[in-house]
Amino acid sequence: QKEVEQNSGPLSVPEGAIASLNCTYSDRGSQSFFWYRQYSGKSPELIMSIYSNGDKEDGRFTAQLNKASQYVSLLIRDSQPSDSATYLCAVTDNDYKLSFGAGTTVTVRA
Amino acid sequence: ETGVTQTPRHLVMGMTNKKSLKCEQHLGHNAMYWYKQSAKKPLELMFVYSLEERVENNSVPSRFSPECPNSSHLFLHLHTLQPEDSALYLCASSQALAGGGDEQFFGPGTRLTVL
Repeated sequence: QKEVEQNSGPLSVPEGAIASLNCTYSDRGSQSFFWYRQYSGKSPELIMSIYSNGDKEDGRFTAQLNKASQYVSLLIRDSQPSDSATYLCAVTDNDYKLSFGAGTTVTVRA
Repeated sequence: ETGVTQTPRHLVMGMTNKKSLKCEQHLGHNAMYWYKQSAKKPLELMFVYSLEERVENNSVPSRFSPECPNSSHLFLHLHTLQPEDSALYLCASSQALAGGGDEQFFGPGTRLTVL
């Protein structure tokens, strides 16, 4: 059973601050890592994918992967109210079975 | 909205009813998925189809019956459900099945309530 753990939150940050989300996973064979954003009442949408150790930046988002420690994180810089959502971490060992965490709810205070 | 549509968006049914959920993808993808999302729980993979063949049945009770008549359409037939089956049912599709690099695109979901 592949487990993916996330703090449920809510994580409350002021507008303009950095939101830091963490995710740990149990399967050492995991190779691909994803962050999905899910607005309330909406479906998940992919915002970041990362496959190798280190940082990957895309706009205000940075994903960080450390396979030795089995964690992946997401940083949201210059947080905006529109970033308020639940962020889902998902991992796979390169088959089609994504294992999801329960999600971290982020609230950005204006 | 994505290129994956689902109908109905909301469904209320009794435990003795039979209903079907429909998913259609307009992305030319070859793989389609059914997920269940319950409150405060991780998404649970239910079924996976690749080129209309079922490749995964993730220990789902037989009261859920999937159907994939072609690569663009996916159904989930429901019968004699239980109240604990109330959840958001999400359909997703991806270009290919093998490998973790293919993004899964999700539909808007069907909010199911079983009375």
